[in-house]
Amino acid sequence: DTGVSQDPRHKITKRGQNVTFRCDPISEHNRLYWYRQTLGQGPEFLTYFQNEAQLEKSRLLSDRFSAERPKGSFSTLEIQRTEQGDSAMYLCASSPSDRGAEETQYFGPGTRLLVL
Amino acid sequence: SQQGEEDPQALSIQEGENATMNCSYKTSINNLQWYRQNSGRGLVHLILIRSNEREKHSGRLRVTLDTSKKSSSLLITASRAADTASYFCATASRGTSYGKLTFGQGTILTVHP
Repeated sequence: DTGVSQDPRHKITKRGQNVTFRCDPISEHNRLYWYRQTLGQGPEFLTYFQNEAQLEKSRLLSDRFSAERPKGSFSTLEIQRTEQGDSAMYLCASSPSDRGAEETQYFGPGTRLLVL
Repeated sequence: SQQGEEDPQALSIQEGENATMNCSYKTSINNLQWYRQNSGRGLVHLILIRSNEREKHSGRLRVTLDTSKKSSSLLITASRAADTASYFCATASRGTSYGKLTFGQGTILTVHP
């Protein structure tokens, strides 16, 4: 399967614990995005990477959140000191960078986080 | 915050009927895209329409865009039970050099066999 993969698919944690999610984009894609989706809502943009550089972060990404993309390949999203409000589906998407803003983003299956 | 609103929030139809979903947005856009999401899964890209286009077709899908009204519609013709899903419009704002997307709240479509 050459699509976007995310791991784990589900995560249950207790409030105050740290969690880390991984995203493996499509191999030739330079751009990688993280979104968060709560129940009944559309996805909301969190952050964007062009290769290994993190070029934009949403205000939704508080200082408890950190994302990395070492070597411009896979990406990790870490949430420290989780809160119940962090419960959501975390979606990763990737795209090639040859079409400017006119591009299709390919989404992974998401990681569903539940904070108890 | 969400870019805009989708209407209706939920739509229930019989197989073979057409389904129309509407999307409104607030800012100037570079393009508008429609995605489908099956329950609890990732999103699948359906179609992209540029700001200088008014209508686009792909198979059983027809998308229209009215930039003067900041609105778009998605028509699915001859619907099938497999079309049951949530449908989201997403916009790429004018002035961005990459594809950061702002999504609507979505329309839940149920197609009864």
